[in-house]
Amino acid sequence: KQEVTQIPAALSVPEGENLVLNCSFTDSAIYNLQWFRQDPGKGLTSLLLIQSSQREQTSGRLNASLDKSSGRSTLYIAASQPGDSATYLCAAGGGSEKLVFGKGTKLTVNP
Amino acid sequence: EAQVTQNPRYLITVTGKKLTVTCSQNMNHEYMSWYRQDPGLGLRQIYYSMNVEVTDKGDVPEGYKVSRKEKRNFPLILESPSPNQTSLYFCASSPHGGSAQYFGPGTRLTVL
Repeated sequence: KQEVTQIPAALSVPEGENLVLNCSFTDSAIYNLQWFRQDPGKGLTSLLLIQSSQREQTSGRLNASLDKSSGRSTLYIAASQPGDSATYLCAAGGGSEKLVFGKGTKLTVNP
Repeated sequence: EAQVTQNPRYLITVTGKKLTVTCSQNMNHEYMSWYRQDPGLGLRQIYYSMNVEVTDKGDVPEGYKVSRKEKRNFPLILESPSPNQTSLYFCASSPHGGSAQYFGPGTRLTVL
């Protein structure tokens, strides 16, 4: 059974810092890996989707990498801003829309 | 505006009283899913649907039913709600398998 772990559970950084969020999964037979953002009291917003055949995806200040063999993905946020404060979730896709989520990393970017 | 809508957004009910949470998407997506989010447990998939009349169980389907009679709608039915179904529920859709999922705003359900 797929298990997804995100470390750390919470992270606090000063504005402008570059940071890395980690995601690990136990079953490397994934279809894709998705990163989401969740703001308090709101739904999830899809940030990046990496197909199993890809190594990374970039969107603006965000870069996500995938290493299936080691069961790891990272989300790199460059030049963090207070508006980046949110909970970041990764999810391993097993095909047929079966997603297994990690419990998230709560990020606080301090002005 | 492309979106996934859920109704109601908030619901307080009592044990055993049947309820339905509706989910609708206007993007002509084939795939739709239901999740519940609980503190300490994260998001867990309840059911998903790959197309009209095609549904399958996720990780926590017990106590829930779904139907997909139309492409745009995917209601979640709790025939006899219990307090352990108190949770935050999310509906999501995606255009096809393996593509990014779009989430609704969530429905906070409390079962007394």
